[in-house]
Amino acid sequence: ETGVTQTPRHLVMGMTNKKSLKCEQHLGHNAMYWYKQSAKKPLELMFVYNFKEQTENNSVPSRFSPECPNSSHLFLHLHTLQPEDSALYLCASSQDLVYNEQFFGPGTRLTVL
Amino acid sequence: SQQGEEDPQALSIQEGENATMNCSYKTSINNLQWYRQNSGRGLVHLILIRSNEREKHSGRLRVTLDTSKKSSSLLITASRAADTASYFCATDGAAGNKLTFGGGTRVLVKP
Repeated sequence: ETGVTQTPRHLVMGMTNKKSLKCEQHLGHNAMYWYKQSAKKPLELMFVYNFKEQTENNSVPSRFSPECPNSSHLFLHLHTLQPEDSALYLCASSQDLVYNEQFFGPGTRLTVL
Repeated sequence: SQQGEEDPQALSIQEGENATMNCSYKTSINNLQWYRQNSGRGLVHLILIRSNEREKHSGRLRVTLDTSKKSSSLLITASRAADTASYFCATDGAAGNKLTFGGGTRVLVKP
Protein backbone atom coordinates (compact mmCIF):
# COMPACT_ATOMS: atom_id res chain seq x y z
CA GLU A 1 0.00 0.00 0.00
CA THR A 2 1.42 3.35 -1.02
CA GLY A 3 -1.05 5.52 0.91
CA VAL A 4 -2.80 6.59 -2.30
CA THR A 5 -6.14 5.02 -3.13
CA GLN A 6 -8.15 5.24 -6.33
CA THR A 7 -11.75 4.33 -7.06
CA PRO A 8 -13.13 2.71 -9.02
CA ARG A 9 -10.42 0.25 -10.05
CA HIS A 10 -12.23 -0.59 -13.28
CA LEU A 11 -14.73 1.47 -15.25
CA VAL A 12 -16.58 0.79 -18.49
CA MET A 13 -18.52 3.68 -19.94
CA GLY A 14 -20.25 4.69 -23.12
CA MET A 15 -19.29 7.79 -25.04
CA THR A 16 -22.32 9.71 -23.79
CA ASN A 17 -21.87 8.86 -20.10
CA LYS A 18 -20.56 11.11 -17.35
CA LYS A 19 -18.42 9.51 -14.68
CA SER A 20 -15.81 10.56 -12.13
CA LEU A 21 -12.56 9.04 -10.94
CA LYS A 22 -11.56 9.61 -7.33
CA CYS A 23 -8.14 9.71 -5.74
CA GLU A 24 -7.33 10.10 -2.05
CA GLN A 25 -3.94 10.29 -0.38
CA HIS A 26 -3.31 9.67 3.31
CA LEU A 27 0.28 10.92 3.32
CA GLY A 28 -0.15 14.59 4.17
CA HIS A 29 1.19 15.57 0.76
CA ASN A 30 0.48 18.88 -0.92
CA ALA A 31 0.90 18.02 -4.59
CA MET A 32 -1.30 15.64 -6.58
CA TYR A 33 -1.13 14.46 -10.17
CA TRP A 34 -3.20 12.73 -12.84
CA TYR A 35 -1.42 10.60 -15.44
CA LYS A 36 -2.69 8.64 -18.42
CA GLN A 37 -0.98 5.39 -19.38
CA SER A 38 -1.90 3.90 -22.75
CA ALA A 39 -0.52 0.73 -24.23
CA LYS A 40 2.87 1.20 -25.88
CA LYS A 41 3.08 4.89 -24.88
CA PRO A 42 5.07 6.64 -22.19
CA LEU A 43 3.25 7.79 -19.10
CA GLU A 44 1.55 11.11 -19.93
CA LEU A 45 1.17 13.80 -17.30
CA MET A 46 -2.31 15.35 -17.48
CA PHE A 47 -2.74 17.70 -14.51
CA VAL A 48 -0.78 18.89 -11.50
CA TYR A 49 -2.22 20.45 -8.36
CA ASN A 50 -0.12 22.04 -5.64
CA PHE A 51 -1.83 23.22 -2.45
CA LYS A 52 -5.18 22.76 -4.26
CA GLU A 53 -4.18 25.08 -7.11
CA GLN A 54 -3.76 23.73 -10.64
CA THR A 55 -0.20 24.36 -11.78
CA GLU A 56 -0.12 22.24 -14.92
CA ASN A 57 -2.62 21.35 -17.64
CA ASN A 58 -0.74 19.40 -20.24
CA SER A 59 -3.01 20.34 -23.16
CA VAL A 60 -5.67 17.93 -21.99
CA PRO A 61 -9.00 17.95 -23.88
CA SER A 62 -11.86 19.62 -22.04
CA ARG A 63 -13.77 16.34 -21.84
CA PHE A 64 -11.44 15.67 -18.88
CA SER A 65 -12.16 18.03 -16.00
CA PRO A 66 -10.10 17.84 -12.79
CA GLU A 67 -11.20 18.96 -9.36
CA CYS A 68 -9.13 19.31 -6.21
CA PRO A 69 -11.33 20.29 -3.24
CA ASN A 70 -8.50 19.86 -0.73
CA SER A 71 -4.94 18.60 -0.61
CA SER A 72 -6.04 15.02 0.10
CA HIS A 73 -8.57 14.53 -2.67
CA LEU A 74 -8.40 14.73 -6.43
CA PHE A 75 -11.15 13.96 -8.92
CA LEU A 76 -11.19 13.54 -12.66
CA HIS A 77 -14.61 14.16 -14.18
CA LEU A 78 -15.21 12.47 -17.50
CA HIS A 79 -17.82 13.31 -20.12
CA THR A 80 -18.34 12.49 -23.79
CA LEU A 81 -15.15 10.47 -23.96
CA GLN A 82 -13.80 8.75 -27.06
CA PRO A 83 -12.67 5.12 -27.43
CA GLU A 84 -9.05 6.33 -27.68
CA ASP A 85 -9.39 7.63 -24.12
CA SER A 86 -9.40 4.03 -22.90
CA ALA A 87 -6.32 3.68 -20.71
CA LEU A 88 -5.03 3.24 -17.18
CA TYR A 89 -5.46 6.50 -15.27
CA LEU A 90 -3.00 6.90 -12.45
CA CYS A 91 -3.10 9.34 -9.57
CA ALA A 92 0.03 10.27 -7.63
CA SER A 93 1.01 12.57 -4.81
CA SER A 94 4.25 14.10 -3.55
CA GLN A 95 5.21 16.22 -0.59
CA ASP A 96 5.28 19.24 -2.88
CA LEU A 97 6.72 20.21 -6.25
CA VAL A 98 10.28 20.42 -4.93
CA TYR A 99 10.36 17.19 -2.92
CA ASN A 100 8.77 15.38 -5.83
CA GLU A 101 9.25 11.68 -5.09
CA GLN A 102 5.84 10.47 -6.19
CA PHE A 103 3.59 7.89 -4.61
CA PHE A 104 1.15 6.30 -7.02
CA GLY A 105 -2.28 4.80 -6.59
CA PRO A 106 -3.17 1.48 -8.20
CA GLY A 107 -4.93 3.17 -11.11
CA THR A 108 -8.35 3.04 -12.73
CA ARG A 109 -8.60 0.90 -15.85
CA LEU A 110 -11.01 2.82 -18.08
CA THR A 111 -12.70 1.36 -21.13
CA VAL A 112 -14.76 3.63 -23.36
CA LEU A 113 -17.16 1.80 -25.65
CA SER B 1 9.97 14.55 -27.53
CA GLN B 2 10.15 12.79 -24.22
CA GLN B 3 12.81 13.74 -21.72
CA GLY B 4 13.86 10.26 -20.59
CA GLU B 5 14.35 7.23 -22.80
CA GLU B 6 15.20 3.81 -21.48
CA ASP B 7 17.35 1.25 -23.16
CA PRO B 8 16.81 -1.62 -23.79
CA GLN B 9 13.04 -1.69 -24.25
CA ALA B 10 12.95 -5.28 -23.03
CA LEU B 11 15.31 -7.54 -21.12
CA SER B 12 15.07 -11.26 -20.33
CA ILE B 13 17.44 -12.84 -17.80
CA GLN B 14 17.73 -15.88 -15.55
CA GLU B 15 17.14 -15.63 -11.82
CA GLY B 16 20.37 -14.77 -10.08
CA GLU B 17 21.78 -12.75 -12.96
CA ASN B 18 22.22 -9.01 -12.90
CA ALA B 19 20.00 -6.69 -14.93
CA THR B 20 21.21 -3.35 -16.24
CA MET B 21 19.11 -0.73 -17.94
CA ASN B 22 19.96 2.77 -19.07
CA CYS B 23 18.19 6.08 -19.28
CA SER B 24 19.14 9.05 -21.42
CA TYR B 25 17.67 12.51 -21.12
CA LYS B 26 17.96 15.79 -22.96
CA THR B 27 17.88 18.81 -20.64
CA SER B 28 19.35 19.82 -17.28
CA ILE B 29 17.80 18.16 -14.28
CA ASN B 30 17.46 18.60 -10.54
CA ASN B 31 17.06 14.90 -9.92
CA LEU B 32 16.42 11.62 -11.69
CA GLN B 33 14.15 8.94 -10.26
CA TRP B 34 13.59 5.28 -11.03
CA TYR B 35 10.22 3.59 -10.63
CA ARG B 36 8.95 0.02 -10.99
CA GLN B 37 5.54 -1.01 -12.29
CA ASN B 38 4.07 -4.45 -12.08
CA SER B 39 1.63 -5.27 -14.85
CA GLY B 40 -1.48 -3.07 -14.73
CA ARG B 41 -0.60 -1.58 -11.34
CA GLY B 42 0.61 1.76 -10.07
CA LEU B 43 4.25 2.77 -10.11
CA VAL B 44 6.44 2.29 -7.07
CA HIS B 45 9.29 4.68 -6.35
CA LEU B 46 12.66 2.92 -6.13
CA ILE B 47 15.39 5.50 -5.83
CA LEU B 48 16.11 9.19 -6.38
CA ILE B 49 19.51 10.53 -7.35
CA ARG B 50 20.24 14.24 -7.31
CA SER B 51 22.15 16.02 -10.05
CA ASN B 52 25.19 16.49 -7.77
CA GLU B 53 25.35 12.76 -6.94
CA ARG B 54 27.11 10.15 -9.06
CA GLU B 55 26.06 6.87 -7.50
CA LYS B 56 23.45 5.63 -5.07
CA HIS B 57 22.61 2.24 -3.59
CA SER B 58 19.43 0.81 -2.13
CA GLY B 59 19.46 -2.88 -1.27
CA ARG B 60 20.09 -4.78 -4.51
CA LEU B 61 19.72 -1.61 -6.58
CA ARG B 62 22.57 0.56 -7.79
CA VAL B 63 21.96 3.76 -9.72
CA THR B 64 24.58 5.86 -11.44
CA LEU B 65 24.22 9.31 -12.94
CA ASP B 66 26.50 10.97 -15.48
CA THR B 67 25.28 14.51 -16.03
CA SER B 68 27.96 15.17 -18.66
CA LYS B 69 26.48 12.40 -20.79
CA LYS B 70 22.92 13.04 -19.60
CA SER B 71 22.50 9.40 -18.74
CA SER B 72 21.73 7.13 -15.82
CA SER B 73 21.83 3.40 -15.27
CA LEU B 74 19.92 1.10 -12.94
CA LEU B 75 21.54 -2.17 -11.93
CA ILE B 76 19.57 -4.90 -10.19
CA THR B 77 21.91 -7.46 -8.71
CA ALA B 78 21.08 -11.12 -8.04
CA SER B 79 17.69 -10.79 -9.72
CA ARG B 80 14.62 -12.66 -8.51
CA ALA B 81 11.44 -13.68 -10.30
CA ALA B 82 9.65 -10.99 -8.26
CA ASP B 83 11.78 -8.35 -10.01
CA THR B 84 9.79 -9.02 -13.19
CA ALA B 85 8.24 -5.63 -13.97
CA SER B 86 8.64 -2.52 -16.09
CA TYR B 87 11.19 0.01 -14.93
CA PHE B 88 10.90 3.71 -15.70
CA CYS B 89 13.22 6.62 -15.27
CA ALA B 90 11.77 10.06 -14.62
CA THR B 91 13.42 13.43 -14.71
CA ASP B 92 12.41 16.86 -13.61
CA GLY B 93 13.62 19.80 -15.63
CA ALA B 94 15.54 22.74 -14.25
CA ALA B 95 12.19 24.33 -13.35
CA GLY B 96 11.56 21.20 -11.30
CA ASN B 97 7.80 21.34 -11.21
CA LYS B 98 6.93 18.08 -12.95
CA LEU B 99 8.39 14.70 -13.81
CA THR B 100 8.71 13.37 -17.34
CA PHE B 101 8.76 9.60 -17.65
CA GLY B 102 10.51 7.48 -20.23
CA GLY B 103 8.93 4.61 -22.11
CA GLY B 104 10.28 2.01 -19.71
CA THR B 105 12.27 -1.21 -19.83
CA ARG B 106 10.31 -4.44 -19.47
CA VAL B 107 12.32 -6.92 -17.43
CA LEU B 108 11.50 -10.62 -17.34
CA VAL B 109 13.33 -12.70 -14.75
CA LYS B 110 12.97 -16.41 -15.48
CA PRO B 111 13.07 -18.83 -12.56
